[in-house]
Amino acid sequence: DIQMTQSPSSLSASVGDRVTITCRASQSISNYLIWYQQKPGKAPKLLIYATSSLQSGVPSRFSGSGSGTDFTLTISSLQPEDFATYSCQQTYSTPYTFGQGTKLEIK
Amino acid sequence: QVQLQESGPGLVKPSETLSLTCSVSGGSISSYYWSWIRQPPGKGLEWLGYLHYSGTTNYRPSLKSRVTMSLDTSNNQFFLRLSSVTAADTAVYYCARGPITNWRGAFDIWGQGTAVTVSS
Repeated sequence: DIQMTQSPSSLSASVGDRVTITCRASQSISNYLIWYQQKPGKAPKLLIYATSSLQSGVPSRFSGSGSGTDFTLTISSLQPEDFATYSCQQTYSTPYTFGQGTKLEIK
Repeated sequence: QVQLQESGPGLVKPSETLSLTCSVSGGSISSYYWSWIRQPPGKGLEWLGYLHYSGTTNYRPSLKSRVTMSLDTSNNQFFLRLSSVTAADTAVYYCARGPITNWRGAFDIWGQGTAVTVSS
């Protein structure tokens, strides 16, 4: 199985901050990298697919980059509704695997 | 718009079979892949497998001996059966549309999730 490791596991930030979350794959996954946002008690919401393509309706302050084994999710200016848990997922090969999640909290 | 809704018992006894249904509304179950994903309390997401209306299935190897997925196109539903459950199968179970091939395998629509506890 391909292991996905996110860092940090948690992050405290303020409204307006720029934040970056990293996801590392245990082997190359090309650009088969997906990002989801999840709020407590809710289902994950698709943010970004194919490493950097923004899902329809997702604000442009979200962006993704990377290739191979190293990927990042950046939020350019945090808004109150962005405080949530973010998870990466590889869809390069089955079994599809997720990172453990990064919890973004209000400072 | 397409919506997914999971249903099934919230409590299952150890060694028994967990059975869940995902009802798809607002669109046809045909032409897409459909997945089951779970999330144990306080932990990350775990993909269990997918199925396609053509009958193709792909299961997580560690669960392959215990999991069965199927669908009912006439009722626009798909199903998960997980046999011989233990406490380790306690989780919120989600159904989702995907992998979407054109989007590098993303899961674009999710159900709200249903909590299943394995306990006697």
